Amino acid sequence: DGGITQSPKYLFRKEGQNVTLSCEQNLNHDAMYWYRQDPGQGLRLIYYSQIVNDFQKGDIAEGYSVSREKKESFPLTVTSAQKNPTAFYLCASSLPDRDTGELFFGEGSRLTVL
Amino acid sequence: AQSVTQLGSHVSVSEGALVLLRCNYSSSVPPYLFWYVQYPNQGLQLLLKYTTGATLVKGINGFEAEFKKSETSFHLTKPSAHMSDAAEYFCAVSEAFYGNNRLAFGKGNQVVVIP
Repeated sequence: DGGITQSPKYLFRKEGQNVTLSCEQNLNHDAMYWYRQDPGQGLRLIYYSQIVNDFQKGDIAEGYSVSREKKESFPLTVTSAQKNPTAFYLCASSLPDRDTGELFFGEGSRLTVL
Repeated sequence: AQSVTQLGSHVSVSEGALVLLRCNYSSSVPPYLFWYVQYPNQGLQLLLKYTTGATLVKGINGFEAEFKKSETSFHLTKPSAHMSDAAEYFCAVSEAFYGNNRLAFGKGNQVVVIP
């Protein structure tokens, strides 16, 4: 079945450590996104990529980095510069189809900083 | 930039009663509108969407929503709540028709169903 796989589902890290969250999709979608979810805050866009080797900052990119070397993969690194990294992170993908605009989501990764 | 307002972070509804979740949007161009549902510790699942055409949209699990341009609204309803409807619901808007596939989400409504 086609879909989006995020790993790990749960992750703990000590302050000052970088951590990378994996996102892989086999939907053959061109565009991929990373959102951060905090209780009562909805989803906020961190980074997005519309094509391989290209990505743009979203609304809350500070303290995060991404790469898009392959169409299927869009990993997110949470760096030590991110002041409050504990959150639920969601990866999504979409076709660049002007007639849909729909995002398909992975199951999420919950990061806890100890 | 587009934005969404969802009022009432927590909504309680009795089993069998009407579910009504309100969504108002702001967009400088004709929008695409979405409702997503999220169960605990899971990703988001599409309930329904409006792109063009009929303004009353039917989705999964008996939900429907009506696009009202004059009111800039896209409220979600279900005639009779079921215990399985307990989840968080997000309204979202995009300007995909104009090449901007970024979705802006509301802050969500946590729905509690009372037996």
